Amino acid sequence: GQNIDQPTEMTATEGAIVQINCTYQTSGFNGLFWYQQHAGEAPTFLSYNVLDGLEEKGRFSSFLSRSKGYSYLLLKELQMKDSASYLCAVKADSWGKLQFGAGTQVVVTP
Amino acid sequence: SAVISQKPSRDICQRGTSLTIQCQVDSQVTMMFWYRQQPGQSLTLIATANQGSEATYESGFVIDKFPISRPNLTFSTLTVSNMSPEDSSIYLCSVESGQGARAQYFGPGTRLTVT
Repeated sequence: GQNIDQPTEMTATEGAIVQINCTYQTSGFNGLFWYQQHAGEAPTFLSYNVLDGLEEKGRFSSFLSRSKGYSYLLLKELQMKDSASYLCAVKADSWGKLQFGAGTQVVVTP
Repeated sequence: SAVISQKPSRDICQRGTSLTIQCQVDSQVTMMFWYRQQPGQSLTLIATANQGSEATYESGFVIDKFPISRPNLTFSTLTVSNMSPEDSSIYLCSVESGQGARAQYFGPGTRLTVT
């Protein structure tokens, strides 16, 4: 079967760091995406990894290990506006369709 | 990044009726994707729409229920047919963009409630 697993919820304090893990088992692999989704809104593209290693983009970084079927999204210097659901998605073929994890709800507290 | 618009943004429909959702992109794209997000759930792909060919449906979704049109490289429609309350969801279209398709963007979504 095909599985994309991520924690259901994480809570962190404003200014802190949170790491959201994603493990996947898919029939193929052609890249991994991270999205942010605020309640009632569409997902917003955050990052894309296709090679092993770390991609840094401002306060957000994403890491990929293809051999381990593992990725994480690192959110630094947390702000209240970072409270949202974070979705991990795998592109399993070259056609572009994505398989999504269930999402991780991040709650940032003052 | 691609700019995507959808119409309508939301609708309340009666059981047994149909609704057509439009998706417009500001650039030409080969493939457009239609997803569904049921309340409290993640996104599930309904189908992939290529211009000039029949859409490809994922397991559990059929053309009679979700007919799709793709008349050109910037536009697609998804129809939700013979609706039931279980069809109440957010429907989103998406496209790949960027060199090497390193990004995929979503439209703002259509929030459908079936009564």
